[in-house]
Amino acid sequence: DIQLTQSPSSLSPSVGDRVTITCRASQAIYTYLAWYQQKPGKSPQVLIYAASTLQSGVPSRFSGSGYGTDFTLTISSLQPEDVGTYYCQQHYSVPVTFGGGTKVDIK
Amino acid sequence: QLVQSGAEVKKPGASVKVSCKASGYNFRSYGISWVRQAPGQGLEWMGWISGYNGKTSYAQKFQDRVTMTTDTSTSTAYMELRSLRSDDTAVYYCGKDVEITAAFLDTWGQGTLVTVSS
Repeated sequence: DIQLTQSPSSLSPSVGDRVTITCRASQAIYTYLAWYQQKPGKSPQVLIYAASTLQSGVPSRFSGSGYGTDFTLTISSLQPEDVGTYYCQQHYSVPVTFGGGTKVDIK
Repeated sequence: QLVQSGAEVKKPGASVKVSCKASGYNFRSYGISWVRQAPGQGLEWMGWISGYNGKTSYAQKFQDRVTMTTDTSTSTAYMELRSLRSDDTAVYYCGKDVEITAAFLDTWGQGTLVTVSS
């Protein structure tokens, strides 16, 4: 199985800060990587797919990059509504796997 | 849109069957994946089923206890988990894959809480 390691596991930035979350895969997954946001008590929603493609309707402050084993999700200017937990997911091979999550609070 | 069945309370050793009714797209053109989330924990992929021909792929962890099926006449997917244990207490989500194979999920159900308790 492909393991995904996210870091950090949590962070507490201020509104307006630039936020970076990383996801490292245990083997190459090319760009078969998606990022999800899960707000408290809600279902996850996809933000980014194919490592860097913004899902329709997602604010442009979210961006993704990476290839192979190392990937990054960036929020250019954190907003209060961005509070939640962020997960990466690989679908290069089954079983599909998720990273452990990064919880984002507002300082 | 994906609408799931309601919360369930089951005793250890019992089975649970969760439904996921799809609307607004061609059910047979996409897959459905099932993902669960234990209280305070992360997301765990359980498996996938093709909306076209019912082909399945299960995570090894659930291979012996899970069955995923579809009813194309009602655009509904089902996930049955048997021999329930207390650590199966979780919110179970269905998600629509963006293609016929297991991929990323662009639409999620609202989740179904399954509580396993004696």
